[in-house]
Amino acid sequence: ETGVTQSPTHLIKTRGQQVTLRCSSQSGHNTVSWYQQALGQGPQFIFQYYREEENGRGNFPPRFSGLQFPNYSSELNVNALELDDSALYLCASSLDPGIYEQYFGPGTRLTVT
Amino acid sequence: AQRVTQPEKLLSVFKGAPVELKCNYSYSGSPELFWYVQYSRQRLQLLLRHISRESIKGFTADLNKGETSFHLKKPFAQEEDSAMYYCALSGGGANNLFFGTGTRLTVIP
Repeated sequence: ETGVTQSPTHLIKTRGQQVTLRCSSQSGHNTVSWYQQALGQGPQFIFQYYREEENGRGNFPPRFSGLQFPNYSSELNVNALELDDSALYLCASSLDPGIYEQYFGPGTRLTVT
Repeated sequence: AQRVTQPEKLLSVFKGAPVELKCNYSYSGSPELFWYVQYSRQRLQLLLRHISRESIKGFTADLNKGETSFHLKKPFAQEEDSAMYYCALSGGGANNLFFGTGTRLTVIP
């Protein structure tokens, strides 16, 4: 069984640029959730994708968008990067959108300068 | 609105001593409560969930709806328990988690 993988591991971008982060869900999981974890904070829910559709969104502006592909892998896109977007971005997959255990990836560390 | 509060950022206990990590929550409906743990250089992982009523690695947590708390307890701390612990809430049948800010537990040999 393959766990959740994320790429890249680290990324440095300039304010105003755009970034795409990638996540491969655990085998058999059809639901992917994205979280932002700022330094010293707990993870904060961005949105969830289930069968290629957005299935819930947290309090993040529209410049945070996502995609889920037929193989259930997912992308997080952030446009017009701001300094406050610097954070660890976590992807988590689960068997279903219901209350099931979420399996987290190692995260992508984004630094915006 | 959902809120999860972990009042202690840092907690140190001696090996063999009891440990309690506090978690209080605010939610208007019936929440599902979880404890997630992150050991050094490892990814975030589920420790336990209140609906399972399990003891995992000697840890237990009881949901107290009257006090809106879900404290994590272990009678005898071990060095391998040193980690970052996050309390999380899910509500309304959705699977998105609301996390607290975490407590870093250090068990002193």
